[in-house]
Amino acid sequence: DTAVSQTPKYLVTQMGNDKSIKCEQNLGHDTMYWYKQDSKKFLKIMFSYNNKELIINETVPNRFSPKSPDKAHLNLHINSLELGDSAVYFCASSQGNTIYFGEGSWLTVV
Amino acid sequence: AQKITQTQPGMFVQEKEAVTLDCTYDTSDPSYGLFWYKQPSSGEMIFLIYQGSYDQQNATEGRYSLNFQKARKSANLVISASQLGDSAMYFCAMREVYQAGTALIFGKGTTLSVSS
Repeated sequence: DTAVSQTPKYLVTQMGNDKSIKCEQNLGHDTMYWYKQDSKKFLKIMFSYNNKELIINETVPNRFSPKSPDKAHLNLHINSLELGDSAVYFCASSQGNTIYFGEGSWLTVV
Repeated sequence: AQKITQTQPGMFVQEKEAVTLDCTYDTSDPSYGLFWYKQPSSGEMIFLIYQGSYDQQNATEGRYSLNFQKARKSANLVISASQLGDSAMYFCAMREVYQAGTALIFGKGTTLSVSS
């Protein structure tokens, strides 16, 4: 069983569209994250939730809206997609010093 | 200011040799954690090793060891007996404290190429 799973793995969409990426973890962790990896491979924290509560929001445009229906799920919804949103989006979960990443979702905006 | 610095964009090593990937960090917190992740060409982020700032000994996990020098604020990853499968990008990261939680901040990464 995959510990942190994201869907879809690949997403190609047109500018202006709205899309969602889903994340689920079966590790029983309390904290989940969204990270963005840009074309230069730089990884940056976007959001973090702890037990369904938003605890980190790192100057991300408000076109990005995370939602955590329960502590095992953290979804990322992106409105009005722009070319610059093309990136790999990683979900992660943690408990203490153990932090596991999902396999990434490759988003391409054309 | 960059909090995690990886100065080696690329490193080349032959199979069976050891290699050291450099990482320096900047923090004023007395309690912190340092991580190394491997990202192969397939893209997933694989956790390798963790070092806590209060840990008395350097962390080791199989062929991976962390050369932790607190006074120099360095946390270099040492890979012994390199294998072709070690070719990947390697990221050093530190747990950063935000207002209501913590998250990892990453260095820019080092690409390791292992040749036969």
